[in-house]
Amino acid sequence: GAGVSQSPSNKVTEKGKDVELRCDPISGHTALYWYRQSLGQGLEFLIYFQGNSAPDKSGLPSDRFSAERTGGSVSTLTIQRTQQEDSAVYLCASSLGTGSNSPLHFGNGTRLTVT
Amino acid sequence: AQSVAQPEDQVNVAEGNPLTVKCTYSVSGNPYLFWYVQYPNRGLQFLLKYITGDNLVKGSYGFEAEFNKSQTSFHLKKPSALVSDSALYFCAVRVGGFKTIFGAGTRLFVKA
Repeated sequence: GAGVSQSPSNKVTEKGKDVELRCDPISGHTALYWYRQSLGQGLEFLIYFQGNSAPDKSGLPSDRFSAERTGGSVSTLTIQRTQQEDSAVYLCASSLGTGSNSPLHFGNGTRLTVT
Repeated sequence: AQSVAQPEDQVNVAEGNPLTVKCTYSVSGNPYLFWYVQYPNRGLQFLLKYITGDNLVKGSYGFEAEFNKSQTSFHLKKPSALVSDSALYFCAVRVGGFKTIFGAGTRLFVKA
């Protein structure tokens, strides 16, 4: 079946501009995560949504970052007033969310370059 | 603080030799541990997971992982490495509800 879909796959933006990154999770997955990966390095947790519960925003690096999930499905990560240090691959993942043992299914990511 | 560590940035092994990629964790309560792999220019893929029960967990592509509670470790292993196993490997732990944190990753190079 269809996996996690992210768009765009690549985004180049000028410093100071706002960007929106989209994630379409696997149908039926109630948990959705955003991570950031810089230059083939580790994954930095940003935020996760689980069903109708309040999202865990503990990983968002600054108030320029926000995310929402509409109708329990599609999610948008917004970065306002982008900075060069925001350049990274932004990964979205979803999981069944029916238990703590459900693995994450990742999209291919959005590569963001801030010039 | 709850955390997961991968002490090696890189592991080099010859094809046909056994490989080990190390992972240690620090969590409260029972750990839910995972290994993921990232092949070049591809997304992260789930390899295997530990919940409770057998300390040796078998996963995809011939990989297995050994859980050791006393050493708080969850090392990834494979009896005979392939060149195609060369990739970036991540250990992950679920901490409280559904939040999952990842180690820094270990790059595995398998030489023919």
